[in-house]
Amino acid sequence: EDKVVQSPLSLVVHEGDTVTLNCSYEVTNFRSLLWYKQEKKAPTFLFMLTSSGIEKKSGRLSSILDKKELFSILNITATQTGDSAVYLCAVCPGSQGNLIFGKGTKLSVKP
Amino acid sequence: NAGVTQTPKFRVLKTGQSMTLLCAQDMNHEYMYWYRQDPGMGLRLIHYSVGEGTTAKGEVPDGYNVSRLKKQNFLLGLESAAPSQTSVYFCASRLAGPRYEQYFGPGTRLTVT
Repeated sequence: EDKVVQSPLSLVVHEGDTVTLNCSYEVTNFRSLLWYKQEKKAPTFLFMLTSSGIEKKSGRLSSILDKKELFSILNITATQTGDSAVYLCAVCPGSQGNLIFGKGTKLSVKP
Repeated sequence: NAGVTQTPKFRVLKTGQSMTLLCAQDMNHEYMYWYRQDPGMGLRLIHYSVGEGTTAKGEVPDGYNVSRLKKQNFLLGLESAAPSQTSVYFCASRLAGPRYEQYFGPGTRLTVT
């Protein structure tokens, strides 16, 4: 059975800290791994990773994929209160583009 | 562009009532999806569509039906609502091809009493 496991489930840090969120997966016919940020409402797309070892960056956020060890990490440097959200990891295991989501990591950034 | 929109935003139903949730997208996306999100369960796929006139079952399809009569619209129906269907429902869409990122609507919070 395909599955995606995120850790930790929740995390509390202070502004300025650096955090690392983890996502491991077991799927057949892996296509890509995606990260989303969910605040109050809809998940918003952050990154899509397809190849191992290539880091994706957007400002203070970065992510990398390891297809051999079947995991990805999402790093956030110099955290701000606006980074408080649930971060979702999803894996696409087939050509239909259906995503399998992990349960998310709830990040709380304290002033 | 409005992106993905959902109506209604909130709804309270009594057990046994029926309703339809509407999802609309103006991005000319081929693929559309309905998810439900429950505390501690993450996002789970209910039904999806790979094009106008097509639908398919996802992970948790029981108790729901869908229709995709027009490319821009994807409807989710509950024929006889049950308290277990209390959830937040999200619609999403994406382009065809190897760009797998889905774009989500704002969600519908449904309570069944």
